[in-house]
Amino acid sequence: NAGVTQTPKFRVLKTGQSMTLLCAQDMNHEYMYWYRQDPGMGLRLIHYSVGEGTTAKGEVPDGYNVSRLKKQNFLLGLESAAPSQTSVYFCASSPSGGGTDTQYFGPGTRLTVL
Amino acid sequence: GQNIDQPTEMTATEGAIVQINCTYQTSGFNGLFWYQQHAGEAPTFLSYNVLDGLEEKGRFSSFLSRSKGYSYLLLKELQMKDSASYLCAVSLNSGNTPLVFGKGTRLSVIA
Repeated sequence: NAGVTQTPKFRVLKTGQSMTLLCAQDMNHEYMYWYRQDPGMGLRLIHYSVGEGTTAKGEVPDGYNVSRLKKQNFLLGLESAAPSQTSVYFCASSPSGGGTDTQYFGPGTRLTVL
Repeated sequence: GQNIDQPTEMTATEGAIVQINCTYQTSGFNGLFWYQQHAGEAPTFLSYNVLDGLEEKGRFSSFLSRSKGYSYLLLKELQMKDSASYLCAVSLNSGNTPLVFGKGTRLSVIA
């Protein structure tokens, strides 16, 4: 099992450009999450999904959109990138039950917005 | 709001014991997680406490007191590879964030 994978691993964008980050998991997990991690801020939840076809806003959703068309994939979109979105983005998944299940994290995507 | 506090940095000597504290004030509580994160890598699960008391897992132990809003992670027989950030996270049963993370404690193990 590959677990949770993320594409791409690194990306540099110019302000105003758009991009999509892909997260894939092969553990048949129901729940999937997108976090961002900034120095001194810890992990903050952007959006999450409790099952195929569902999405919900987390703590810091502004400027991002998500889609969960297939159970194994969770996409994070930036429509018009801003320097404030420079961060490391982690995707995670958990079997079910939201916060009572262990979350398994992908390796991260390091995004720089110039 | 949700508030989780842990020390920013700690330093300890190889072979020693270190305790990393975490205090929390949250609306709703389903349990508390500890994750380990090496620099440049993803967080990985260490422990989960939902009942008061100590959970021991090899060199690592985690303690929870729900009445005091307090947890600690105890690392024994420290090794250089234990140098990492340790993240305390509270599982919530309400609101729009299933799991809220503290800012993490960066532990440096020195010879």
